[in-house]
Amino acid sequence: DAKTTQPPSMDCAEGRAANLPCNHSTISGNEYVYWYRQIHSQGPQYIIHGLKNNETNEMASLIITEDRKSSTLILPHATLRDTAVYYCIVRGLYNTDKLIFGTGTRLQVFP
Amino acid sequence: DVKVTQSSRYLVKRTGEKVFLECVQDMDHENMFWYRQDPGLGLRLIYFSYDVKMKEKGDIPEGYSVSREKKERFSLILESASTNQTSMYLCASSSLDRVYYGYTFGSGTRLTVV
Repeated sequence: DAKTTQPPSMDCAEGRAANLPCNHSTISGNEYVYWYRQIHSQGPQYIIHGLKNNETNEMASLIITEDRKSSTLILPHATLRDTAVYYCIVRGLYNTDKLIFGTGTRLQVFP
Repeated sequence: DVKVTQSSRYLVKRTGEKVFLECVQDMDHENMFWYRQDPGLGLRLIYFSYDVKMKEKGDIPEGYSVSREKKERFSLILESASTNQTSMYLCASSSLDRVYYGYTFGSGTRLTVV
């Protein structure tokens, strides 16, 4: 079973920041938080990952709380092309640790 | 651009047929995975492989088998297709050395069994 909880859907106006929350209260010390997204009719796409520090790349920022029980993915200036299902996943460091998807958050960006 | 390529975008097969879904990656990744995706159930792991000729069962292996004879190719086999195997099938790969950097997925094969 997925070890994360996400809201099923969210809306965001184009050009505004989209903040997608994720709860992972049972995360263990050696587990990373990963975010993927899936645009309609495509395979999931890796966005970002983090352990305990905040992370930023060209796609998004990831804010992880100090107790690591929750995180927020931030798309700073959402566009219509960011409309997708966003998955928050907790996964260990080892190669044998599997990527287990939940049902994600469906983000709708509107004009 | 690195890629995971699935041989067919859409397939229609008859019940009882043997079906092969092919996946090829050009990133020299050690790990390869097969998922299926169904509405309301999300992505579920069927089989995965960490090396040539190695395979491990995922969460829903029943009715499926896999083959990995070459590093770049991972095939999913439906021995006798059934209607409940109608689904979107997604292949993915990842690097052993750079496991932190996530999986790369193909675009998927939408299989309909009639």
